[in-house]
Amino acid sequence: GAGVSQSPRYKVAKRGQDVALRCDPISGHVSLFWYQQALGQGPEFLTYFQNEAQLDKSGLPSDRFFAERPEGSVSTLKIQRTQQEDSAVYLCASRHRPGQAVNSPLHFGNGTRLTVT
Amino acid sequence: GENVEQHPSTLSVQEGDSAVIKCTYSDSASNYFPWYKQELGKGPQLIIDIRSNVGEKKDQRIAVTLNKTAKHFSLHITETQPEDSAVYFCAASKPLKAAGNKLTFGGGTRVLVKP
Repeated sequence: GAGVSQSPRYKVAKRGQDVALRCDPISGHVSLFWYQQALGQGPEFLTYFQNEAQLDKSGLPSDRFFAERPEGSVSTLKIQRTQQEDSAVYLCASRHRPGQAVNSPLHFGNGTRLTVT
Repeated sequence: GENVEQHPSTLSVQEGDSAVIKCTYSDSASNYFPWYKQELGKGPQLIIDIRSNVGEKKDQRIAVTLNKTAKHFSLHITETQPEDSAVYFCAASKPLKAAGNKLTFGGGTRVLVKP
């Protein structure tokens, strides 16, 4: 596809439910990131994949958050037993190469807005 | 870890005037500083970036300056137009390949260009 695609665009969950958010990165992009963006704030790093390897998960707020990218392309962010504080926009981003290669900017999807009631 | 502060949080300018947004960062190892524009309901879109070996970069009506000594960088938009109205984020990253050179973002500046 032309850009990073995320689904669903909106998700409403009752407190305690599990949710799964999907990210389709740009084809061939090696690096994939998940960010969490609370209302009125900047995106905050959650986790990073290089191909299928999850190299950094230091930003995941609790063990209720889990991410995977089993075949090095599509990624899923799963949140178990959702809480109200999980309400945010979850952004996925991808980059062609690992690291800061020249002409390899980070491309963001439009995000999934999660509302926990 | 890295901390990025951004000011102002809101900025209202008259069409045709200039807008300036300033950011400071804490980690002297940071070497890449992109700026993103985010419109309502969309993801951040890269508008310009600068690396630590460069002091200034321009692209048409937008420019970014970097002062490594003071650890601050700024975005300048000249001849503002209504379509420049959006939220702008600065970010910083350092060359840490194991972390994918992850970006740390500022809190954002909501820019409103009044016609």
